[in-house]
Parts: sequence; C-alpha cells; structure tokens
Amino acid sequence: DTEVTQTPKHLVMGMTNKKSLKCEQHMGHRAMYWYKQKAKKPPELMFVYSYEKLSINESVPSRFSPECPNSSLLNLHLHALQPEDSALYLCASSQTSVYIQYFGAGTRLSVL
Amino acid sequence: DAKTTQPNSMESNEEEPVHLPCNHSTISGTDYIHWYRQLPSQGPEYVIHGLTSNVNNRMASLAIAEDRKSSTLILHRATLRDAAVYYCILRGGTSYGKLTFGQGTILTVHP
Repeated sequence: DTEVTQTPKHLVMGMTNKKSLKCEQHMGHRAMYWYKQKAKKPPELMFVYSYEKLSINESVPSRFSPECPNSSLLNLHLHALQPEDSALYLCASSQTSVYIQYFGAGTRLSVL
Repeated sequence: DAKTTQPNSMESNEEEPVHLPCNHSTISGTDYIHWYRQLPSQGPEYVIHGLTSNVNNRMASLAIAEDRKSSTLILHRATLRDAAVYYCILRGGTSYGKLTFGQGTILTVHP
C-alpha cells in the first residue's frame, strides 16, 4: 500500500475562518511534507517533518500552522487566510527525508 | 539547488516511444536526477531516478549523458494514461528532504 490520504478533497473558507487539512499514511514513513500548488504552476515546498519534528519551514506565513501529532498523521491548520492562498495543497511522505516521496491527491482550497 | 531546463510541451502518438529531454548543465557530482510526473487532478508520482548509469524500471527508462549535463526520460510505448506534466528534478546531498520542481514538460498523447 503506497497511499497517502488527504481530507477533505475540497474546502471553501472565508478569510476569518479556521480550518484544518489532514494527511495520513500507513507506510511507516518517518518524513512528511506539505506543498502548495497554484494553478498551472509546479508544487512548492512549504514544510518538512522528519521523525515528527519540523525540519524545514520554507518561510511560510504564520497563518499556516503545521502539526505532526504522530508518525502517521500530518495536519495543516489554517487561520485568517487570504484569497491568494487559494491553491491545491499536497501532502507527501517518504521513508526518511532522502527517499522517494509519495504524494496524496491534494486538497483544493478556495478562500473567499 | 542546480537548475533544470525542460521543453514546455511535447506531443506523441499512442503506442509510440517518447523521449523527454532535460538539461542540467550545473549538476554537481552528488546530484541525483529524479523524474516525477503529475497526471491531471492528481498529486505527483515518482517515475525513476539515477546518478550516472542508465536506469530501467517498469514505468520508464532514464538515459544519462556521459558528462551528466543532460538526461532523457524514455517512455517506450506511450499510452493515453501517460499524458501528464513530467518534472525533471536534481536532488543532492544538501537538498535534504527538498524536491524543487521546475516548470516541467506537458506531454500530450494522441490516440
């Protein structure tokens, strides 16, 4: 099983809302990632967790708050987002951070 | 991270081979060449990677130039399901955990 599951698939939120994106994998991987992908652009790395600790933050605004409660689960908490944050948010995992990454199908977020 | 250059788009006919080129003239000795692809409405998926020697797997082949300044992803018999954006990515020892995607090549496969 090489599946990374992301929920929800679609999310619409207002600029004052608080919401969370969820990512789950059961492959025993110890590295997990969040990427952001705008329409017709390549994915851009946001965060890397390695062994449940944040190892890379690509200068992402604080309105995005990642959390890794355990080795199988990765959350992205959203608060006070802007319309320009509308994008596809992709989660990925890998055995460790030097190995092949497996991606979920993403959450398509619209901020109104 | 060293940069890769790919054509914006390529077209192929079904059941014909496809050669997707990638230039990486500033590649360092420790950089691996990775290929991922992204099908419509899906996340990227790993295709293949290599360091110096040509590589084959069930999905594709990777041909690496002797000077490593370029590489070619080969799909031996394109199918409609191979229509995707193909990304060539260099991944070295200092890019720990990072995949830096370039613009990629949009592959269209005609029936």
